[in-house]
Amino acid sequence: DAGVIQSPRHEVTEMGQEVTLRCKPISGHNSLFWYRQTMMRGLELLIYFNNNVPIDDSGMPEDRFSAKMPNASFSTLKIQPSEPRDSAVYFCASNALGNSPLHFGNGTRLTVT
Amino acid sequence: RKEVEQDPGPFNVPEGATVAFNCTYSNSASQSFFWYRQDCRKEPKLLMSVYSSGNEDGRFTAQLNRASQYISLLIRDSKLSDSATYLCVVNMRGNTGKLIFGQGTTLQVKP
Repeated sequence: DAGVIQSPRHEVTEMGQEVTLRCKPISGHNSLFWYRQTMMRGLELLIYFNNNVPIDDSGMPEDRFSAKMPNASFSTLKIQPSEPRDSAVYFCASNALGNSPLHFGNGTRLTVT
Repeated sequence: RKEVEQDPGPFNVPEGATVAFNCTYSNSASQSFFWYRQDCRKEPKLLMSVYSSGNEDGRFTAQLNRASQYISLLIRDSKLSDSATYLCVVNMRGNTGKLIFGQGTTLQVKP
């Protein structure tokens, strides 16, 4: 039974470059979440989708960040242009609608130099 | 005030000790609550859901106090393998599911 799949696992890029993170949620899950984790700020909710529709993007730090969910089995988080302060671990998670727990992917460790 | 707050610790306890963590939340309409465990450089994993009447899973007990807006996690007979960061999670928005994490509480169990 496949869990949430994220790619890449690690990404090292230079400031100013575009970064695209990818996520495949668990089949049958209706909600998808993108979180960012740093030592200073912990796990921050960036955006979440219900049935492929963005519900709340108030956590997206600025216009450089965008997220899409074109279908029920795929989502992307894009940073353009990237900056060193974007360095963090980005987690994707999914759950069934309602009050059910989240299942996380392994995360993408992003380093922007 | 943060939506979900935890004491970051660290809590350093000897093996066999009982330790408790609290987590407060700001939205009185919050409907579901969870405890997650996160090991270093790994993804968070569900430890247990928190039910209104309180619930127990082996050495772990979770409680919800709606009046005071906090949840708690009690670990009895601590093991070395319990060393991790414990994150509380609150669903701030019912069925539309805005799940917010606390900062996490670090537990270190020592021999």
